Amino acid sequence: GQNIDQPTEMTATEGAIVQINCTYQTSGFNGLFWYQQHAGEAPTFLSYNVLDGLEEKGRFSSFLSRSKGYSYLLLKELQMKDSASYLCAVVDSNYQLIWGAGTKLIIKP
Amino acid sequence: ETGVTQTPRHLVMGMTNKKSLKCEQHLGHNAMYWYKQSAKKPLELMFVYNFKEQTENNSVPSRFSPECPNSSHLFLHLHTLQPEDSALYLCASSQDKEYSSYEQYFGPGTRLTVT
Repeated sequence: GQNIDQPTEMTATEGAIVQINCTYQTSGFNGLFWYQQHAGEAPTFLSYNVLDGLEEKGRFSSFLSRSKGYSYLLLKELQMKDSASYLCAVVDSNYQLIWGAGTKLIIKP
Repeated sequence: ETGVTQTPRHLVMGMTNKKSLKCEQHLGHNAMYWYKQSAKKPLELMFVYNFKEQTENNSVPSRFSPECPNSSHLFLHLHTLQPEDSALYLCASSQDKEYSSYEQYFGPGTRLTVT
């Protein structure tokens, strides 16, 4: 079966750095997405990785290792508005998105 | 503003009712999706339409019936639902289903409660 694992919940302090991990076992791989979803709102696109390595976009970076079936989302200089759920999703060999259950990130002052 | 709108935002219906959810995208995309989101569970893909043709039906019960009259509009018709169908129903669109790098744009969702 296909599976995406990410922690259910994480807590971090405003101004700090947090890393949210995602591991996957899927039938084929055509890329990995990270989305942010604030409570009661729609998921919004953060990043897409298809090659190994780190992609940096402002305070957010996403890393991929295809050989390890592993990705992480790194959030720097945390702000209160970063409190949200972060969803990891992998594109399988049929170009279907396989979603993780999401990581709820709580930012404390 | 994500360019994808959904109505209604909230819906309470009895198990014998018939209702419809509506989704509209203003992005010129060719693929549209229905997802079910339940608390602490992964997004469940229900239906996919690409260029108005249904390409995915992930073993969804027949009490859910999709309709895609054109590339901009998507409906989900509901009838004789069960309480376990209570969830957030999200609509999304993307440029094309067949290209993996195209991100999906989501609507705000319809919070459905079945009583």
